[in-house]
Amino acid sequence: GENVEQHPSTLSVQEGDSAVIKCTYSDSASNYFPWYKQELGKRPQLIIDIRSNVGEKKDQRIAVTLNKTAKHFSLHITETQPEDSAVYFCAASKGLYNTNAGKSTFGDGTTLTVKP
Amino acid sequence: EAQVTQNPRYLITVTGKKLTVTCSQNMNHEYMSWYRQDPGLGLRQIYYSMNVEVTDKGDVPEGYKVSRKEKRNFPLILESPSPNQTSLYFCASSPAGTGAGTPLHFGNGTRLTVT
Repeated sequence: GENVEQHPSTLSVQEGDSAVIKCTYSDSASNYFPWYKQELGKRPQLIIDIRSNVGEKKDQRIAVTLNKTAKHFSLHITETQPEDSAVYFCAASKGLYNTNAGKSTFGDGTTLTVKP
Repeated sequence: EAQVTQNPRYLITVTGKKLTVTCSQNMNHEYMSWYRQDPGLGLRQIYYSMNVEVTDKGDVPEGYKVSRKEKRNFPLILESPSPNQTSLYFCASSPAGTGAGTPLHFGNGTRLTVT
């Protein structure tokens, strides 16, 4: 089955710096890669996603890049702010007509701390 | 308000006592799924459902049951809970039948403790 590895497990940056979190996946049939943010004591919420027909997507200070050949994708946060402090999860899943189309596999999470 | 509602939020029970965690969504989503979250292990999928009366195992289905008799509800059943099922559980739904190309909407979680 699919295996998703996420690095680093913890990341501490100074306010205003950039943060990068990387994930690798094993199943070349995976074609949907969302990123979720989970604040302490709350539910995960989508912050950005990318599909396999796109190499990069940006939404204000957040961007995601995808390298299908190398099977890895990354989350980039620029101009970090204290409210960006949270746990971030990447995930990988497949589209219809694939085996295990409904399965979604998550990385183990990255705890990001932004110091004021 | 569009949401996924789980109940209860907190549950303490004893080994072997059957329990059900309810999950309901009001967004007419076809896809629903259950996850457990343990420290350092991310979110692991327990069961998922692509549509009514269709359920499949995720990565950690042992000790759990689900049913999808109607579109909005997807209860998680622990027939004989054990301490290793102590965890934080999330229900999620997604609009697409595949669940594979659209984002998940999560409930607020159920913290289960089995003694």
